[in-house]
Amino acid sequence: SAVISQKPSRDICQRGTSLTIQCQVDSQVTMMFWYRQQPGQSLTLIATANQGSEATYESGFVIDKFPISRPNLTFSTLTVSNMSPEDSSIYLCSVQLPGQGNEQYFGPGTRLTVT
Amino acid sequence: DAKTTQPNSMESNEEEPVHLPCNHSTISGTDYIHWYRQLPSQGPEYVIHGLTSNVNNRMASLAIAEDRKSSTLILHRATLRDAAVYYCILGGWGAQKLVFGQGTRLTINP
Repeated sequence: SAVISQKPSRDICQRGTSLTIQCQVDSQVTMMFWYRQQPGQSLTLIATANQGSEATYESGFVIDKFPISRPNLTFSTLTVSNMSPEDSSIYLCSVQLPGQGNEQYFGPGTRLTVT
Repeated sequence: DAKTTQPNSMESNEEEPVHLPCNHSTISGTDYIHWYRQLPSQGPEYVIHGLTSNVNNRMASLAIAEDRKSSTLILHRATLRDAAVYYCILGGWGAQKLVFGQGTRLTINP
C-alpha cells in the first residue's frame, strides 16, 4: 500500500490568483495522477504525471491552467492558475504501485473554494 | 472507455448483507472490473477487482456474471462505516486511467 499526504487540506482563494497543491507519497512510484471532484460530482482525471516527462492532460484540461511538476518519484504539485469560482472543487492525487494492476491509492484531497 | 451503470442510491440495515449491482454490457475481453468506494470527506479507496471468477477479500466479495455483462459487490455484514459512494470501474490490467461514473450512494441504517 501507499500513504499519501496533500497540502494544503483546504484553502479559500480569491479569483485571479493561483494555488499550488502538493502531493507527497511514502514510497517511490512511477505513476501519479491528479483528479478533480466538483461539488456533488464524481471524480474526473485531470492529468497523469510521470517522473522525468511532461504530464499528459485529459480532454478539457490544459497545461496553462493546471501546470504540474513531478521533480522526483515521491512528490508532485498541481497548480490551479488564474482561478475562478468554477474551479471550486476537491483536488486529489493518486498513485499506482508497480505490479498491482489498476489498484490506486488516493490522497485525502485539497478542498478549494474560490471567491 | 466501456460504460458502467449503477443505481444512484441504495439503503440497507446494519449487520445485514448488501448487494451492489453494476451493469457493463459493453465490457471487452480484457477489461477488469474494479470497485472503489469513497467514504465521506475522504479520497476513494480500492475495494476489490476481478476478471472472470468470483473474488473474495477481507472487505468484500465480487460476483461476476458468466457473460461478464454485470457484476455484484457483496458486503457480507454491513456496518455504519460502510456508508459511502461505491464506484464500479472497468479497465485493462495496468491501464492506469480510472474513469469514475456517478456510483451508488449506500446508506446504512442503524
